[in-house]
Amino acid sequence: AQSVTQLGSHVSVSEGALVLLRCNYSSSVPPYLFWYVQYPNQGLQLLLKYTTGATLVKGINGFEAEFKKSETSFHLTKPSAHMSDAAEYFCAVSNTGGFKTIFGAGTRLFVKA
Amino acid sequence: GAVVSQHPSWVICKSGTSVKIECRSLDFQATTMFWYRQFPKQSLMLMATSNEGSKATYEQGVEKDKFLINHASLTLSTLTVTSAHPEDSSFYICSASPRTSGQETQYFGPGTRLLVL
Repeated sequence: AQSVTQLGSHVSVSEGALVLLRCNYSSSVPPYLFWYVQYPNQGLQLLLKYTTGATLVKGINGFEAEFKKSETSFHLTKPSAHMSDAAEYFCAVSNTGGFKTIFGAGTRLFVKA
Repeated sequence: GAVVSQHPSWVICKSGTSVKIECRSLDFQATTMFWYRQFPKQSLMLMATSNEGSKATYEQGVEKDKFLINHASLTLSTLTVTSAHPEDSSFYICSASPRTSGQETQYFGPGTRLLVL
């Protein structure tokens, strides 16, 4: 079975500050991990994904995430927040075994001027 | 590349009517398409998985006779909400997996907001 836990339904940061969105997962097989962003009334856009190989994954818009197997975590970071980063972020887990993709509950990011 | 469209983007209908939502992969062939439902301020809940040319696989608790899914071609899947009721009001999102990749690769449509009066 697989599951995803996103710590914090809301995160607020100041413009220019570090963004850290937390995601922990559980999976009985090696996971594929994803971060998606959703702007109001829109579908999901893939920010980055981890499948195999390098554990530090760089994505679009300056975001990156690190897969830490020992901590079962895949936290999303960005060094400097921009107003345009305000959105809902979803962590998700899947794998090659044909399991469906499971989404976390989402974290809404607020960016203060 | 990898664009998925949905039509309509929003729809308002009367209770008891049926509504069809289309999901198209515009620049790739999709062997698998997924339909999700999202309630306000909540995550996506998978409703069903459809493979081209075969019957959709519905998640537990999703009424297959209420939410009819057809995946007639490699670029088109449709979701029909039959005899819609106000509780069916929601944001419906589809995604598509290219035939050249595994199901973990999904490209999402922009969503369809359904309001049943």
